[in-house]
Amino acid sequence: AQSVTQLDSQVPVFEEAPVELRCNYSSSVSVYLFWYVQYPNQGLQLLLKYLSGSTLVESINGFEAEFNKSQTSFHLRKPSVHISDTAEYFCAVSDQGHTPLVFGKGTRLSVIA
Amino acid sequence: GAVVSQHPSWVICKSGTSVKIECRSLDFQATTMFWYRQFPKQSLMLMATSNEGSKATYEQGVEKDKFLINHASLTLSTLTVTSAHPEDSSFYICSARDTAGSLAGELFFGEGSRLTVL
Repeated sequence: AQSVTQLDSQVPVFEEAPVELRCNYSSSVSVYLFWYVQYPNQGLQLLLKYLSGSTLVESINGFEAEFNKSQTSFHLRKPSVHISDTAEYFCAVSDQGHTPLVFGKGTRLSVIA
Repeated sequence: GAVVSQHPSWVICKSGTSVKIECRSLDFQATTMFWYRQFPKQSLMLMATSNEGSKATYEQGVEKDKFLINHASLTLSTLTVTSAHPEDSSFYICSARDTAGSLAGELFFGEGSRLTVL
């Protein structure tokens, strides 16, 4: 069965500093990969996704993630974070959409002024 | 992107009563919807997969008689927590998959329903 590991449960970072949230998944032939963001007391919002094609995917608010098949990773990065980026971030994987999403345990990003 | 609406967003009920949560896909048809449960500061745990017109598929450890799921149409799935107890208090989130076109495989989430059982 597919599994997702988010190594860091909490990541504090100063405003305007870069950040990387790590995500690794168990190996599979082909996968769809997602990053979701959850603000307090809200549902999840899709941040970005990898389905196929370019291994580097970007979101509209400056986040990017790179699919690395050899390392089975899909780390999320942002070169300069804002206070408003403070939230819980979840990495998720599906076997090419044929199986329900499996979520990592989440990483709480706290941006400090 | 596609929109999934969940109602109610907050509900408080007495122990022993039943609570129904609705999940609607507003601008697309969802033959499959998923129900997740999230405990405080934890990840989402899949409870069940809801298929339109057929019985839901429950994950191991989830009581199907306690968490009744009905997926009567392509845009609506309901989760009923029967005879709720305080330990059922949680954040319940539904999601729907748009299986058409370029959004294939992507899940869209409702805003979640916070259930508090007194």
